[in-house]
Amino acid sequence: QKEVEQDPGPLSVPEGAIVSLNCTYSNSAFQYFMWYRQYSRKGPELLMYTYSSGNKEDGRFTAQVDKSSKYISLFIRDSQPSDSATYLCAMRSGGSYIPTFGRGTSLIVHP
Amino acid sequence: ETGVTQTPRHLVMGMTNKKSLKCEQHLGHNAMYWYKQSAKKPLELMFVYNFKEQTENNSVPSRFSPECPNSSHLFLHLHTLQPEDSALYLCASSQERDSTEAFFGQGTRLTVV
Repeated sequence: QKEVEQDPGPLSVPEGAIVSLNCTYSNSAFQYFMWYRQYSRKGPELLMYTYSSGNKEDGRFTAQVDKSSKYISLFIRDSQPSDSATYLCAMRSGGSYIPTFGRGTSLIVHP
Repeated sequence: ETGVTQTPRHLVMGMTNKKSLKCEQHLGHNAMYWYKQSAKKPLELMFVYNFKEQTENNSVPSRFSPECPNSSHLFLHLHTLQPEDSALYLCASSQERDSTEAFFGQGTRLTVV
């Protein structure tokens, strides 16, 4: 079993849809959870991060962590074509500086 | 210039060639990283440098040789690579080694023929 599982997609949605991107993990020591966005031919950029469980909101983006289920989500409201990218989840424990990444989910938002 | 800059953006090399990838960060960060990104696979951490000292070598073959002459520059020297080494090589930096946020460059798309 991989440490971090993420469906590669692609996930295709119409403009304005609510998008849900998810990752599951097996290491209960993970405490820091990050979401990166990577546009084609670019490097990843950090979108959001959360510590431990709970929700965090930033504009149209909401990150959610459920440590009991070892499941994290990124919700995008009112999705736009400019949101089309690959979304990478990453996580690490408090005792390590090395993050473990998921494979990334390719999102396509069509007009 | 700002952020993390990588050169070249694209590189095609034969298996007997020697080439180098360059990374420069203008963020004043103390930690720098090399990652490998292959299609449909998670980002793989290769090397970590903290204050110019290598602190992590993630079982990377010796045909990849990193060099960090100062906190702003990072190189990846390549020699006798294999076709399976073809990938996007990403450089990143962070304020400290345990910072949550890493800033990535645009990567070098490497093709080994």
